[in-house]
Amino acid sequence: EAQVTQNPRYLITVTGKKLTVTCSQNMNHEYMSWYRQDPGLGLRQIYYSMNVEVTDKGDVPEGYKVSRKEKRNFPLILESPSPNQTSLYFCASSPTGFEQYFGPGTRLTVT
Amino acid sequence: RKEVEQDPGPFNVPEGATVAFNCTYSNSASQSFFWYRQDCRKEPKLLMSVYSSGNEDGRFTAQLNRASQYISLLIRDSKLSDSATYLCVVSNRDDKIIFGKGTRLHILP
Repeated sequence: EAQVTQNPRYLITVTGKKLTVTCSQNMNHEYMSWYRQDPGLGLRQIYYSMNVEVTDKGDVPEGYKVSRKEKRNFPLILESPSPNQTSLYFCASSPTGFEQYFGPGTRLTVT
Repeated sequence: RKEVEQDPGPFNVPEGATVAFNCTYSNSASQSFFWYRQDCRKEPKLLMSVYSSGNEDGRFTAQLNRASQYISLLIRDSKLSDSATYLCVVSNRDDKIIFGKGTRLHILP
């Protein structure tokens, strides 16, 4: 089954404790992206990657890191999480960069 | 003017009715346009692309008006299962993808 998977789906952590949210796709898509979704603010792009070893900042990259060492994986790293990073995070992949296929989401709470 | 604007709704519409909503965009150089559907607490899912010539998929019709910089989505014979938030998405030449905040639709039995 073609899909985008994210792990973990739910995470509660404390301020400053490094965490990684994994994202993997099995559709051989070159484009992958991370978004956060907050009430009243909609979906905002954090980082995106057009291909392996190529990453670019989206609208809200501060406090996040990404890497793209393999085509299928695009982990999101929070080196020192803060409460304002409490959000619903979505990973997405795309064959073209336009129509996107989203993972199920990761609900992160930073206390 | 915001880059992509949508009426947040909610639109409360009786089952079987036709409903339409628009999305305006500010960048005249925008290239690609899409409608996504998002159910509560779920991931967005691509509903349809919007082409210059318009696009129809069953009960759904999407249209693009470049002169006035808006796209529209029309849902005919609405079903209870159409209740969701509909997200307008615009892509620019610099590969930037911008999501609207969505329009909530409630289909009433």
